[in-house]
This record gives sequence, structure tokens and C-alpha cells, in this order.
Amino acid sequence: NAGVTQTPKFQVLKTGQSMTLQCAQDMNHEYMSWYRQDPGMGLRLIHYSVGAGITDQGEVPNGYNVSRSTTEDFPLRLLSAAPSQTSVYFCASSYSKWGARAQETQYFGPGTRLLVL
Amino acid sequence: DAKTTQPPSMDCAEGRAANLPCNHSTISGNEYVYWYRQIHSQGPQYIIHGLKNNETNEMASLIITEDRKSSTLILPHATLRDTAVYYCIVRVQNYGGSQGNLIFGKGTKLSVKP
Repeated sequence: NAGVTQTPKFQVLKTGQSMTLQCAQDMNHEYMSWYRQDPGMGLRLIHYSVGAGITDQGEVPNGYNVSRSTTEDFPLRLLSAAPSQTSVYFCASSYSKWGARAQETQYFGPGTRLLVL
Repeated sequence: DAKTTQPPSMDCAEGRAANLPCNHSTISGNEYVYWYRQIHSQGPQYIIHGLKNNETNEMASLIITEDRKSSTLILPHATLRDTAVYYCIVRVQNYGGSQGNLIFGKGTKLSVKP
């Protein structure tokens, strides 16, 4: 298994440009989520999904859109990038949306580093 | 807001045990304590979790006080590769929707020194 993969690894955007951060997992996980991490800070939840066709907002959703058309993919869209969205973005997944497993861990991707000028 | 309090930083000598404390005085009866770590801006990595009993796995041990208001993560023989930010998180195990989300605080930066 490749686990959780994210593309691109690095991206530079100009203010106002749009782009999509890709996230895919090959573990048949139901739950997927997006976090952003700013320097010296912990991770903050942007959006999450408990299954295909179902998404919801996290702590900091403004400026981001998501969709979940398949179990494997959970792209994050920036419609009009702003310098405040300069950050490192992490995607994560876990097996069950209900967390009933004995070890309900989340698996994180390697991150996408985004710079908005 | 994160429901946990951790010291911002700690040092540990290589080969010695690293004991990382976490306070979670408002923890509910159905909330578990989880530990993750993040090495040099990589994605966070799961370490261990527990409810009220002490837990041990190949990476670490988790000691939870009887009143469950605090816990300690123990790395028995710290190595230089254990240098990372360690996050203590409380989370409902059986959840639906937002209750299952991981809420990260700022964590403890552990520096393992030769």
C-alpha cells in the first residue's frame, strides 16, 4: 500500500490564483480530512469527510472547498488564493467513521507546502 | 480549543527515558487519550492511545492517572530519531461526525541530545 499520498509537494501561487491540492489513499478508509499547519503551530482542521458524498467543515474552512466523489480521493480546492493561506497542508485518513476499532488511528500524508505571493 | 496542556519543550539525553506529561483535567468518561508525534514537519505519526489502563506498545508506554486528569508518555530509551513535537489529544472513541476529529494543540518539542 502507498498509504496516503499528496500532490504536489511544493507549490507557489500568486494572489487570486486557484489550485487543487490532491489527496489519495489506497487503504479503503472511510474518513478523510485536511489540516493546515502554520509555523510554530499545531495542526488545524479545515474540512473532513466521513464517506463518499459527505463532507463537513472543520475549524478553519473559509477559503477552501472540498468534495468526495470516491472513497479514495479527497481534493482540497483554493478558489482564490490569499497570502494568509501560505501554510503546510496535511491530508489524513482512518478506517472507520465510527471509530469502533480497537486502534482507530489516523494516517497522515507527507504534506504540501504552499506559498502564496 | 485543545483540551490538553503540555509543556512547550523538553530535553532528554540519548539512551535515557523520556517522560512527556499531559494535563487533561476536563476529560470526559468516554474520551480516550491519544499521542501523536511529528518529526521535522513530516505528517504526524500515531504513537499510542488509552482510556484508563496503562498501555504499552513497541514505541512507547502510556501511563494514565487514576482520576484520568493527566497522563505521561514514556519513551523508554530515547534516540536522536525521537526528536520531534509530541501531541497529546483527547478524543471520543465511538463517534460520528465532528466528535471523531483530532484537535491538535501546540504539543511538546522533545529534543534528544547525544
